[in-house]
Amino acid sequence: GNSVTQMEGPVTLSEEAFLTINCTYTATGYPSLFWYVQYPGEGLQLLLKATKADDKGSNKGFEATYRKETTSFHLEKGSVQVSDSAVYFCALLGSRGGSEKLVFGKGTKLTVNP
Amino acid sequence: GAGVSQTPSNKVTEKGKYVELRCDPISGHTALYWYRQSLGQGPEFLIYFQGTGAADDSGLPNDRFFAVRPEGSVSTLKIQRTERGDSAVYLCASGVNTQYFGPGTRLTVL
Repeated sequence: GNSVTQMEGPVTLSEEAFLTINCTYTATGYPSLFWYVQYPGEGLQLLLKATKADDKGSNKGFEATYRKETTSFHLEKGSVQVSDSAVYFCALLGSRGGSEKLVFGKGTKLTVNP
Repeated sequence: GAGVSQTPSNKVTEKGKYVELRCDPISGHTALYWYRQSLGQGPEFLIYFQGTGAADDSGLPNDRFFAVRPEGSVSTLKIQRTERGDSAVYLCASGVNTQYFGPGTRLTVL
């Protein structure tokens, strides 16, 4: 079945540092890939997505590129801020005609210190 | 416009009791999903509705869990004879190509 493996945390960075959170997946067909973010005390929010190979999703300075050859969707940001402290989840949605459910990784907690 | 709403935000119950959790999806969304998130884990799929019918209930852990969506909008997740292991945050989402999540209901079974 479909699965997502993401870098385990916690990750602690200083403000303005470069961020990478690794995510790899296993899926049949052509899934869509997502990053969701959960800020402290809040619900899951969509951060960015990509629906086909070589697509790049971007939002709020975060980027991730759908790499079919390496089955990866790593999240990056060039300069993190204290306000980026949150838990980040990589997720996969199976291709059309398959399951409509999202499959999530376990989450990576990011703490950014001033 | 309004997002997905869930009530109650917190529910504390005793082992063996019955609980109902409500989800109000984004207006017009025919697809609705329930997930469960345990502490330190990612959300896990429970059930998916397309309109009024459950299109995929493969994630329901056992027959104590049941969900309905009688008019194709609001959905209720029902848990009978609650157990301590049912304690988690129950998330609802709506949408098709992109799923938008509600704030969740934190269920604590004492």
